[in-house]
Amino acid sequence: EVRLVQSGAEVRKPGESLKISCKDSGYGFTNYRIGWVRQMPGKGLEWMGIIDPRDSDTRYSPSFYGQVTMSADKSISAAYLQWSSLKASDTAIYFCAKSRTPWELNAFDVWGQGTMVTVAS
Amino acid sequence: QSDLTQPPSVSGSPGQSVTISCTGITSDIGSYNRVSWYQQSPGTAPKLLIFEVSNRPSGVPARFSGSKSGNTASLTISGLQAEDEADYYCSSFTTSSFVVFGGGTKLTV
Repeated sequence: EVRLVQSGAEVRKPGESLKISCKDSGYGFTNYRIGWVRQMPGKGLEWMGIIDPRDSDTRYSPSFYGQVTMSADKSISAAYLQWSSLKASDTAIYFCAKSRTPWELNAFDVWGQGTMVTVAS
Repeated sequence: QSDLTQPPSVSGSPGQSVTISCTGITSDIGSYNRVSWYQQSPGTAPKLLIFEVSNRPSGVPARFSGSKSGNTASLTISGLQAEDEADYYCSSFTTSSFVVFGGGTKLTV
């Protein structure tokens, strides 16, 4: 069974850094892209960007470019989303998701369980 | 403000059909047949229902169907069931090589 397992909930203060992870559970991590989707409390889904673990080619939504960094380590089948200086407005659930095909950017067929990030002073 | 426009809510009775619209512009829905639809129940991750406008992944019932006309995509759910009550989101690839979501539609059965 294909699974993406995300790291646990995090609580940070404004200005702090954070890196959350998304690990594949055995489908061939480098055969697909990994996307990140934000869901703020009570709000809809927002496409943040996507990374190809084979070469770390990354595309960001203009709304998130420069605000977060996506990375991947294919040797351990993991993708990461990180912030260098968190803001209260970063409080949200962050989902990682696998692209349906290696070239797909817009159809995610397997999702992680989500990581809740809370930023508060 | 979301990039694709969906109605905030729709409703229907069991057995009926409902259609959820998703309106974009020429640089997203109007340019590609790369529209996806997702279903999200409270407290869970989204689930892919439709990809490439009208294709269903394995395991998604045929009651769910998608279509597109011009800059508007649509998701139709036939034979409504109580378990269809959820939030539904559309998304589209854009000419700027990123993806946009709709604001979501809450379906009440």
